[in-house]
Amino acid sequence: KAGVTQTPRYLIKTRGQQVTLSCSPISGHRSVSWYQQTPGQGLQFLFEYFSETQRNKGNFPGRFSGRQFSNSRSEMNVSTLELGDSALYLCASSLSGAHEQYFGPGTRLTVT
Amino acid sequence: GIQVEQSPPDLILQEGANSTLRCNFSDSVNNLQWFHQNPWGQLINLFYIPSGTKQNGRLSATTVATERYSLLYISSSQTTDSGVYFCAVGTTGGFKTIFGAGTRLFVKA
Repeated sequence: KAGVTQTPRYLIKTRGQQVTLSCSPISGHRSVSWYQQTPGQGLQFLFEYFSETQRNKGNFPGRFSGRQFSNSRSEMNVSTLELGDSALYLCASSLSGAHEQYFGPGTRLTVT
Repeated sequence: GIQVEQSPPDLILQEGANSTLRCNFSDSVNNLQWFHQNPWGQLINLFYIPSGTKQNGRLSATTVATERYSLLYISSSQTTDSGVYFCAVGTTGGFKTIFGAGTRLFVKA
């Protein structure tokens, strides 16, 4: 069974731009969660989607948004990028959100 | 919100030594997982352990949900065990996962 895939793996953007990251879950998994990892703040929960509905979100500004498609693939978008948005963005999939989570390799975003 | 504390923050071991990593959480949780993050950032599943004890080779874990803690045991450590170990808890009914700050382990040859 294929694992969680994330694209792109690396990204360099300029302040003020926007970026879209993609996550394809394990086949059959309907829940996708997104996390931001930085050296200063650690691993922080961004949001969770199940059947195209956001069920919970973390304490991030509205510049961070996401969506989930009918095939369970998910995207997250960050608008008006700031230097502090430089981070490793990880997504995880699970059967329902209350089950074991499996993580993708991450997208490393650098904002200059 | 729920707080997750891991200890110790850093640990240096000689190859072959044993260690215990601890995860305390401040409220009831739906589930608990242990992960190992490798140098490339990949989070590797170690245990899904809302309660009880599990073993996988040299690793074992115990969660005592009523007392709000979990322990990860590493026996006969190897240099490949180096990395950061995270505990993550799922909030009850909230579909939200909170990570601890991690324990950074370095195993010397």
